[in-house]
Amino acid sequence: DSGVTQTPKHLITATGQRVTLRCSPRSGDLSVYWYQQSLDQGLQFLIQYYNGEERAKGNILERFSAQQFPDLHSELNLSSLELGDSALYFCASSVELSSSYNEQFFGPGTRLTVL
Amino acid sequence: DAKTTQPPSMDCAEGRAANLPCNHSTISGNEYVYWYRQIHSQGPQYIIHGLKNNETNEMASLIITEDRKSSTLILPHATLRDTAVYYCIVRVAYLSNYQLIWGAGTKLIIKP
Repeated sequence: DSGVTQTPKHLITATGQRVTLRCSPRSGDLSVYWYQQSLDQGLQFLIQYYNGEERAKGNILERFSAQQFPDLHSELNLSSLELGDSALYFCASSVELSSSYNEQFFGPGTRLTVL
Repeated sequence: DAKTTQPPSMDCAEGRAANLPCNHSTISGNEYVYWYRQIHSQGPQYIIHGLKNNETNEMASLIITEDRKSSTLILPHATLRDTAVYYCIVRVAYLSNYQLIWGAGTKLIIKP
């Protein structure tokens, strides 16, 4: 158990809909990262927050948005869903913004299925 | 784009050392090499990281070539539970921060 929690575990929805994925980082971690993993693919970095502020953006679509709240939990919002958005979505957290030791601790993921 | 190249799959006998290669020929001088693994579809798990010196911890050893263009992850005594996808990752500087650039990984199958 990494200490990172994600809800829900599974989500099934229809095209055109909007969903929200939630992540609670490990206690004391200020950085939260979101990743997308399509079937049999590596992880694609989406976005990072540090202490409530956006710090880095990866391959995140304009239909997707995220935020980190004062209690440090984070939400990833996916709208106008398409079949290709079906994937595993992982949240990870780390202690610092940047350091020579930047281990990220991953949650169990949310499996999104768009029908 | 990924900065690493790994074989898509490898087999290893249980109890033997598993040696997983990674090519990162375009790595810059201050970019670290990280290894994570993902068992089935669970969240990835950190294994080890290094810059230019060889590193060892309780899970594995990391051997980085002198020119830093490639590295090898060594699991000294592989068990069935080591069956997973192993990702070799380069950590790149991004503004005042760092990003892990993930490749496609190597699917390691440990056989009894």
